[in-house]
Amino acid sequence: RKEVEQDPGPFNVPEGATVAFNCTYSNSASQSFFWYRQDCRKEPKLLMSVYSSGNEDGRFTAQLNRASQYISLLIRDSKLSDSATYLCVVNGRDSSYKLIFGSGTRLLVRP
Amino acid sequence: EPEVTQTPSHQVTQMGQEVILRCVPISNHLYFYWYRQILGQKVEFLVSFYNNEISEKSEIFDDQFSVERPDGSNFTLKIRSTKLEDSAMYFCASISPAISPGEQYFGPGTRLTVT
Repeated sequence: RKEVEQDPGPFNVPEGATVAFNCTYSNSASQSFFWYRQDCRKEPKLLMSVYSSGNEDGRFTAQLNRASQYISLLIRDSKLSDSATYLCVVNGRDSSYKLIFGSGTRLLVRP
Repeated sequence: EPEVTQTPSHQVTQMGQEVILRCVPISNHLYFYWYRQILGQKVEFLVSFYNNEISEKSEIFDDQFSVERPDGSNFTLKIRSTKLEDSAMYFCASISPAISPGEQYFGPGTRLTVT
């Protein structure tokens, strides 16, 4: 089983649409959870951390369900500039703080 | 805003040659990482480095790979004898866990092409 699993997409949506991405992780000892964004051939950039209580940052809402080992990201009012690959990322309890990445979900927002 | 820098942006080398990829992490960060991303695949952890030694390495990080922090600012990844399958983007990252363990700052990457 993959450590972090995501639907690869692509999700092709019109501007203004709401889109949701899901992710599951296999290691129940994982401690911290994130969504990163990666543009084509660029480095990953942190979009937001994900907390058990859920958190929102503008048009973006992230949720974590530890019991189901499930993470979600909701994007409201999609913009053309949201087109990118969204990476679900976890790190564990180990002392190295290494990140474990999912393969990413590609989002295409069309005019 | 401080940033991680990497050089070169693109390196082309012949199979069997040695390459050194260079990174300058953010100055007050304590943990340093190398990740790689083969074209079309996910980002994979290679190695973490803390307190002048490797703290963890993945199965990918075999004897052909080594890391160094030679002068307190640069952080290098050396591949001793490159293989075709080493062709990938290599990202350096750094963190200050006291601030945020997961907020790793990534450099722009070095694209390594082995021919």
